[in-house]
Amino acid sequence: DAKTTQPPSMDCAEGRAANLPCNHSTISGNEYVYWYRQIHSQGPQYIIHGLKNNETNEMASLIITEDRKSSTLILPHATLRDTAVYYCIVRGNGNTGKLIFGQGTTLQVKP
Amino acid sequence: DTAVSQTPKYLVTQMGNDKSIKCEQNLGHDTMYWYKQDSKKFLKIMFSYNNKELIINETVPNRFSPKSPDKAHLNLHINSLELGDSAVYFCASLRNGGTGELFFGEGSRLTVL
Repeated sequence: DAKTTQPPSMDCAEGRAANLPCNHSTISGNEYVYWYRQIHSQGPQYIIHGLKNNETNEMASLIITEDRKSSTLILPHATLRDTAVYYCIVRGNGNTGKLIFGQGTTLQVKP
Repeated sequence: DTAVSQTPKYLVTQMGNDKSIKCEQNLGHDTMYWYKQDSKKFLKIMFSYNNKELIINETVPNRFSPKSPDKAHLNLHINSLELGDSAVYFCASLRNGGTGELFFGEGSRLTVL
């Protein structure tokens, strides 16, 4: 599975958009980009995933560059409850694909 | 209803003891995982079972023995506990053929004294 690189920490003002970048330059053609987050001491929570098209759901948007070597998770209106560690993961399809967590980005949403 | 439930949530024990952590999922998923999160907050995959068969074993000491009596349960038994086993252990499940989304439990915090 490909590795990812994320900034260790970011701040965001409450109500503003939070844009979390991720580099995955060695991603292969059949690997998806997944985003999870872990709010203090809770179990990780799925946010969104994509292959090559941009995706949006009720939680966030995922923008994947055309060459698929990087992506950005966008939380359109960050709230204090979005303070968490955000993990960008690339994973192959199928039930044997491992979800390998890196260090993630600690997002601090400030009032 | 809790989708992935782990028991116990907290466990404090002495070195050398044997302990078990249980995990149950009511999502009808086929694949289950154990992850370990140490004090540095790194989440590491330990094991994965698919329909009661071991499919991932990530260089975990033999003192750790997962058991899956059926596809809804994946228990973790740890023999001869060591200080370094102190961590939060997360169980997760995945539906085969689905989106690849893992559902995690709330974790079991193990403290070895």
